[in-house]
Amino acid sequence: RKEVEQDPGPFNVPEGATVAFNCTYSNSASQSFFWYRQDCRKEPKLLMSVYSSGNEDGRFTAQLNRASQYISLLIRDSKLSDSATYLCVLLSNAGNMLTFGGGTRLMVKP
Amino acid sequence: SQTIHQWPATLVQPVGSPLSLECTVEGTSNPNLYWYRQAAGRGLQLLFYSVGIGQISSEVPQNLSASRPQDRQFILSSKKLLLSDSGFYLCAWKLAGGTEAFFGQGTRLTVV
Repeated sequence: RKEVEQDPGPFNVPEGATVAFNCTYSNSASQSFFWYRQDCRKEPKLLMSVYSSGNEDGRFTAQLNRASQYISLLIRDSKLSDSATYLCVLLSNAGNMLTFGGGTRLMVKP
Repeated sequence: SQTIHQWPATLVQPVGSPLSLECTVEGTSNPNLYWYRQAAGRGLQLLFYSVGIGQISSEVPQNLSASRPQDRQFILSSKKLLLSDSGFYLCAWKLAGGTEAFFGQGTRLTVV
């Protein structure tokens, strides 16, 4: 079983739609969780951290369920510019190892 | 402010040739440093990470090696490239004890 698993997609949604991605992880010792965004042929960039109580940043909401070992990302009112690959990331091993999921590709259409 | 430099941006190398990719970080001390590889349409695979000078952890056995000769310099090498070494190589850093990682712009390597 992969340490971090994501549905690769693509998720094709119209502008204005709400879309949600899940990510499951196997290492219960994982300390911190993040969502990164990667545009085509570019480096990944941090989108948001994921806190145990859930957190929101504008149209983006992230949640963590430690008991079921998954995190989620909800995007409301999708924009064309949201089209990208969203990577689930775990920090573990005393805060030294960053493990990435395979990414979920989102395509927002007009 | 901190910056990360990775070069070259693109590289075409013949099978069997050596490889050296360099990554340097400015504006911070004792960062954690990482090398990732991303095959076309795939996720990021952690190759090596380092928590200090001369300290290298290897995550995937292969014909690549990494070195950290200076605090803010991380080098990825190979003595003989294989076709399967083609991919997008990304260097990243984060503060020791920190959480957010920052990536270089990547090197797109094509082995022919």
